[in-house]
Amino acid sequence: DGGITQSPKYLFRKEGQNVTLSCEQNLNHDAMYWYRQDPGQGLRLIYYSQIVNDFQKGDIAEGYSVSREKKESFPLTVTSAQKNPTAFYLCASSIPEYSNQPQHFGDGTRLSIL
Amino acid sequence: AQSVAQPEDQVNVAEGNPLTVKCTYSVSGNPYLFWYVQYPNRGLQFLLKYITGDNLVKGSYGFEAEFNKSQTSFHLKKPSALVSDSALYFCAVRVVYNFNKFYFGSGTKLNVKP
Repeated sequence: DGGITQSPKYLFRKEGQNVTLSCEQNLNHDAMYWYRQDPGQGLRLIYYSQIVNDFQKGDIAEGYSVSREKKESFPLTVTSAQKNPTAFYLCASSIPEYSNQPQHFGDGTRLSIL
Repeated sequence: AQSVAQPEDQVNVAEGNPLTVKCTYSVSGNPYLFWYVQYPNRGLQFLLKYITGDNLVKGSYGFEAEFNKSQTSFHLKKPSALVSDSALYFCAVRVVYNFNKFYFGSGTKLNVKP
C-alpha cells in the first residue's frame, strides 16, 4: 500500500546536537511538507517542497533545514539553533496540480530534549 | 491573510447523540475545505472534503460536513456519536491561487462519553 513513512517514531536530542528526521513516500507525489505540532497550537508549517531540488520556507523555518534530492524523500534536520525543538513533527505529501486533493500524512516523529 | 478558526478547543457529547465540530474560514478566492482526524501519536487522516456543488458533504465513518458560503463555515457533523470517535479534529483550507499550501485550524478535541 502507498503511504508516508516517518522514522524514527521517537527521537532524543542532546544540547548542541543536530538531528535528522526521515520522511519517505511512495505515493508519487511531487509536493512534500513538514509541520510542527505543539499542544493546543495545531499544525505550523516548517518547510515545503513542490518539486525535487526546490523547497520554500514555511512560517517557522528558523532552526530547521531540509533537502529534496529525490522525489520520494524529504528529510528534516533540527539544528542546534532551534532552542525549543520538543514537539511532534509531521510529514505530509500532496498532488500539487490538483488542488481538490487532500494531503496525506505520516505517523509522526516525537522529538524530545535529553 | 488566510486563516481557519475552530472556536472550540473541546467538544463533549454523549454516545448516541449528534455531534457538531465548528470551523470558519477566511480566504481570498474559492476555498477547498477539508476535515481530518488525529488519534494519539498518529498522523492526520483525511475524513472529507468540499470542492463545489452540494453543500452537504458525506465522508468516512458516518461523518458529514455542511458548507455555508455566506457564513464562511464548514462544520463537521455526525448524527450519532460513538466512543471511538473521540479524537482531535482539524479543519483545513486550500486556496486555488496557491494550492501548494494548506491552512489548518488549531484543532478541536472531541470527547464522546458512554
